[in-house]
Amino acid sequence: QQQVKQSPQSLIVQKGGISIINCAYENTAFDYFPWYQQFPGKGPALLIAIRPDVSEKKEGRFTISFNKSAKQFSLHIMDSQPGDSATYFCAATGSSYKLIFGSGTRLLVRP
Amino acid sequence: EADIYQTPRYLVIGTGKKITLECSQTMGHDKMYWYQQDPGMELHLIHYSYGVNSTEKGDLSSESTVSRIRTEHFPLTLESARPSHTSQYLCASSGPGVYGYTFGSGTRLTVV
Repeated sequence: QQQVKQSPQSLIVQKGGISIINCAYENTAFDYFPWYQQFPGKGPALLIAIRPDVSEKKEGRFTISFNKSAKQFSLHIMDSQPGDSATYFCAATGSSYKLIFGSGTRLLVRP
Repeated sequence: EADIYQTPRYLVIGTGKKITLECSQTMGHDKMYWYQQDPGMELHLIHYSYGVNSTEKGDLSSESTVSRIRTEHFPLTLESARPSHTSQYLCASSGPGVYGYTFGSGTRLTVV
């Protein structure tokens, strides 16, 4: 019930391409779904987040798509750049405020 | 500038030693968290606090302990370090009614 499953584990994309990372959750009480970006030697940083009352949220090149009935959400990075190379984590939480993280995706964007 | 600070950044210590990892935030956040990040990247919640004098164990069992005597300070202590404690430890905080966390840069602990 508490798990957040993330795929793929790693992803290689050419510069200018679209990067897509998927997550699925089980607990229907979750009502906040953020994505974090982590560079080597740094802590994760909040990238973008969505609540289940909307199906999509866009901030610049980053878009979250949310499917409440399927209990799935995904991160799309448009026009991927080498500077986007990092580890990405999806997460979910509810009234407890405790974030449950996915297992992470290592993204490499080739020049 | 409001931020969250962790010290030390790196620590190599011998088995059996007592260690304290420091975490302080200047944002006035009420909630603070400790996560353990293994080499496979996964983040596991080991402790959290909703305010002063409030501490709870997280989802991953840990031999460490925490205290929250001041709002801004949330140290983690290992009474007797073991090689199995080798990991990266990340501290985070969040404000009232806010779900998003701010993370520190982490402490990479190696126990030899």
